[in-house]
Amino acid sequence: DGGITQSPKYLFRKEGQNVTLSCEQNLNHDAMYWYRQDPGQGLRLIYYSQIVNDFQKGDIAEGYSVSREKKESFPLTVTSAQKNPTAFYLCASKQGAFNSHTEAFFGQGTRLTVV
Amino acid sequence: KQEVTQIPAALSVPEGENLVLNCSFTDSAIYNLQWFRQDPGKGLTSLLLIQSSQREQTSGRLNASLDKSSGRSTLYIAASQPGDSATYLCAVMNNAGNMLTFGGGTRLMVKP
Repeated sequence: DGGITQSPKYLFRKEGQNVTLSCEQNLNHDAMYWYRQDPGQGLRLIYYSQIVNDFQKGDIAEGYSVSREKKESFPLTVTSAQKNPTAFYLCASKQGAFNSHTEAFFGQGTRLTVV
Repeated sequence: KQEVTQIPAALSVPEGENLVLNCSFTDSAIYNLQWFRQDPGKGLTSLLLIQSSQREQTSGRLNASLDKSSGRSTLYIAASQPGDSATYLCAVMNNAGNMLTFGGGTRLMVKP
């Protein structure tokens, strides 16, 4: 089946640790996005990528890093510089990078907890 | 900066009622608007996408309208069912077509 796969579903991080969240899509989509969702709030954009080897900061990029070496993959690293990383992280992808009326599709999310 | 607001934040209705969820946005220069459904602890499922040049879109019991000039969209759910219970989020795409900005969502509960 085509879709977006996020792993792991649950992740625990110790203080000062870097962790990497995986996002893979087999939809042949050009654009990929990472969002953060806090309880009772909407989604906030962390990073997005329109094409391979290119990505842009979103509204809350501080303390996060990404790479886009392959079209199918857009991993997100939560670094120790992110002071409040506990949240639900959602990855999305969309066909067509610019000016296309196509729907964004989302993965099932990764819940990250700092212990 | 685009801001998206959804009212009400929570809504509880008896089964069978027709209901309307509201979404407003501050910058009318949008490319399209998308409505999503989110079940607890899950990702988002796309329901409807309305292009900026369109007034409405329908899918089954769902109808979404868009008034771009006034910065408003509504999601109409007909004959609500307990299975419709979820959080509904609206999101607007900017004119560059590269960023989606989300509202805070409306948490809907449909009671049997």
